[in-house]
Amino acid sequence: DAGVTQSPTHLIKTRGQHVTLRCSPISGHKSVSWYQQVLGQGPQFIFQYYEKEERGRGNFPDRFSARQFPNYSSELNVNALLLGDSALYLCASSFSNYGYTFGSGTRLTVV
Amino acid sequence: GQQVMQIPQYQHVQEGEDFTTYCNSSTTLSNIQWYKQRPGGHPVFLIQLVKSGEVKKQKRLTFQFGEAKKNSSLHITATQTTDVGTYFCAGLIQGAQKLVFGQGTRLTINP
Repeated sequence: DAGVTQSPTHLIKTRGQHVTLRCSPISGHKSVSWYQQVLGQGPQFIFQYYEKEERGRGNFPDRFSARQFPNYSSELNVNALLLGDSALYLCASSFSNYGYTFGSGTRLTVV
Repeated sequence: GQQVMQIPQYQHVQEGEDFTTYCNSSTTLSNIQWYKQRPGGHPVFLIQLVKSGEVKKQKRLTFQFGEAKKNSSLHITATQTTDVGTYFCAGLIQGAQKLVFGQGTRLTINP
């Protein structure tokens, strides 16, 4: 059974560009959460989606948006990239907020 | 804002010594989860505690949830080199759909 898959694994973008990150949850998991992890820090909550609806939002600017599709996969979009957006972006799926399973993440570098 | 604080930030021990990390929340938690992240990896779910005063054990690891559901601890007995990594607590904030991570405790071990 496949775990949480994220794509791409690595990405380099220029300031001002936009980026789309993708996540496929574990089969049967309807909840997807996105986190940003800067080196040496804990994951910071960005969004949670459940059954295609946004259920939670962290303290991130409106440049960050996400959506969940009917098959429960999800996309995270970031517009007008800043150098400070460089981080590991983690997607996690869960069944009813119990024990999140994280993907391997997308390493985003903004230059 | 809702915060989950974790101490210490770093801990270096000799192999065979015990290790403890502590987690405190500014608000009451619905549950507390613990994760382990190896260098270069992603967080891996260890356990979830739900009930006030709950204690759970996994081999050499003991997890506790405080009576007020605002604090938690992870204790490792007789550390082994395989225990190296960063341990994160993550609290599900009551009434909000977000799992908030602490800053993590990075454990290094001298063999």
